[in-house]
Amino acid sequence: QSVLTQPPSASGTPGQRVTISCSGSTSNIGTNTVNWYQQLPGTAPKLLIYSNNQRPSGVPDRFSGSKSGTSASLAISGLQSEDEADYYCAAWDDSLDGGVFGGGTKLTVL
Amino acid sequence: EVQLVESGGGLVKPGGSLRLSCAASGFTFSSYSMNWVRQAPGKGLEWVSSISGSGSYIYYADSVKGRFTISRDNAKNSLYLQINSLRAEDTAVYYCARAKYDSLGLDVWGQGTTVTVSS
Repeated sequence: QSVLTQPPSASGTPGQRVTISCSGSTSNIGTNTVNWYQQLPGTAPKLLIYSNNQRPSGVPDRFSGSKSGTSASLAISGLQSEDEADYYCAAWDDSLDGGVFGGGTKLTVL
Repeated sequence: EVQLVESGGGLVKPGGSLRLSCAASGFTFSSYSMNWVRQAPGKGLEWVSSISGSGSYIYYADSVKGRFTISRDNAKNSLYLQINSLRAEDTAVYYCARAKYDSLGLDVWGQGTTVTVSS
């Protein structure tokens, strides 16, 4: 069981908007910033969103992040076939004194 | 070009040891905290350990505490993970990653090195 809870799967059709949730607690999301990663099959993870809602250079603005209380969300608008990947949320946990990842969400583009 | 290259993985028997290395290039290595993250076959990402730029602050996941040791040599632009008392559940791809944004904002990742624990 992961400390951060994500739905195991999500899906959408091209052009749609999809959201992926990440639920935590006061010791992680409630206190620290949330980061999101995209992992394409057979590749290393890629940072998609940092500090709750910031995009690194090169990440399309179709990807956006938000946080409220002890939960966070990743939104992908204008869904494209190349967005089919696994998505992970991550945050520091002050109680564990370590990092925690969500269990991951497999996004399927129908 | 900013790059991280891991090495040192392999097949090891339960109870054995390995030392993973991560060679950094293209950036001022000592200015960044570094992390190890692993991924078991078909599973999600698991944070393993973190070390500050100076090496003064070190953190471990409970699952590896007492068995794994993270270290760095800033003169050699290298990060290390000494893994002892290996168990089958340590089988995974091990990634090193640079923390540019707060603690888990990992902006550069290596390609990973595979550790397989089996008799």
